[in-house]
Amino acid sequence: DAGITQSPRHKVTETGTPVTLRCHQTENHRYMYWYRQDPGHGLRLIHYSYGVKDTDKGEVSDGYSVSRSKTEDFLLTLESATSSQTSVYFCAIANSGGGETQYFGPGTRLLVL
Amino acid sequence: QKEVEQDPGPLSVPEGAIVSLNCTYSNSAFQYFMWYRQYSRKGPELLMYTYSSGNKEDGRFTAQVDKSSKYISLFIRDSQPSDSATYLCAMSAGAGSYQLTFGKGTKLSVIP
Repeated sequence: DAGITQSPRHKVTETGTPVTLRCHQTENHRYMYWYRQDPGHGLRLIHYSYGVKDTDKGEVSDGYSVSRSKTEDFLLTLESATSSQTSVYFCAIANSGGGETQYFGPGTRLLVL
Repeated sequence: QKEVEQDPGPLSVPEGAIVSLNCTYSNSAFQYFMWYRQYSRKGPELLMYTYSSGNKEDGRFTAQVDKSSKYISLFIRDSQPSDSATYLCAMSAGAGSYQLTFGKGTKLSVIP
């Protein structure tokens, strides 16, 4: 987890409320990723960024948006949280866009009631 | 057929045993292969990284890639209770692909 922090680490929210998760890195890596991890599904890519203000959708992007205004910060927003978005969210960073190696943060546990 | 298949286990072995963890895949474009270790309530930690076919050894861990069979393995020698974790395989096609494709993970318990 060195060089990657996620906040908050735990959050409980209600259906219909917006939620923003933050990923902060001190490694100056160009690429940043948001995943969710659920039992039976493994890790699934939500969105990724290949530079400041450059983002793209992953496998499960519906209901999520992202922003990256600085190299070190990548924000994930749940526009209107639903119970199906209860999950553990991981941020990852990489120095190369070839998908070779990614380094993960400690995760955020989100519960949507 | 899913792109990456990994037996979820759980796998339980006695301390000191040799552990074999495996993944199969269907996408012949995959060139980079990784193993991550994930302790309970922690983020995945990169354990081994291999490019193309062959073996790579790091201490008690050996990663093998057989591209002809689309099969990768992770061997753990002299397993320790501290090896108890979920092991995730991951792979990518490399340049321009951006994304890793993960297996669902195998949960391993090493019993003292």
